[in-house]
Amino acid sequence: DIQMTQSPSTLSASVGDRVTITCRSSQSISTWLAWYQQKPGKAPKLLISEASTLEYGVPSRFSGSGSGTEFTLTISSLQPNDFATYYCQQYNRYSTFGQGTKVEI
Amino acid sequence: QLHLQESGPGLVQPSETLSLTCSVSDGSVTSSTYFWGWVRQSPGKGLEWVGTIHHGGTTYYKSSLKSRVTISVDTWKNQFSLRLSSVAAADTAVYYCAASHGDGFDYWGQGTLVTVSS
Repeated sequence: DIQMTQSPSTLSASVGDRVTITCRSSQSISTWLAWYQQKPGKAPKLLISEASTLEYGVPSRFSGSGSGTEFTLTISSLQPNDFATYYCQQYNRYSTFGQGTKVEI
Repeated sequence: QLHLQESGPGLVQPSETLSLTCSVSDGSVTSSTYFWGWVRQSPGKGLEWVGTIHHGGTTYYKSSLKSRVTISVDTWKNQFSLRLSSVAAADTAVYYCAASHGDGFDYWGQGTLVTVSS
């Protein structure tokens, strides 16, 4: 199985901060990577697919980059609604999620 | 806009089989546009991919669950289902059904908590 490792596990930040979350895969996954946002008690929301393609309706302060084994999710200016847990996911036929990064105040 | 809704027992006895159904509305399970999947989340933990079924019926399962999992589609009821056999306390989780265009899961159900306990 492909393993996905996110860092950090927890991130303390303030409104307006630039935030970067890293996701590494145990083997190359090209750009078969998605990023999700999850808030407590809610289903995850797809933010980015194919490593860097912003989903419809997702604010442009979110961006993704990377290929191969290293990927990043960047929030350019953290907003109050962005405090949540973020997950990366590799997909091709089989899939794996990272362990999550909680963005907190 | 696809809508998904999970249903099934909230309590399952250890060693029994967990069975959940995902009802699909505003779309068809026979569509070649979507893949259908299940993701679970143990209390306070992260997301865990369980498996996916592609149009045509090809299934892909998490390797550690493969011997116990079956995902299938019911075209008459416009539903897809999850069966997980020989459950234990570690299978207690919120189970989400989800749909993918091929790049991540675009659509999710609200999730249903399944507790494994006697």
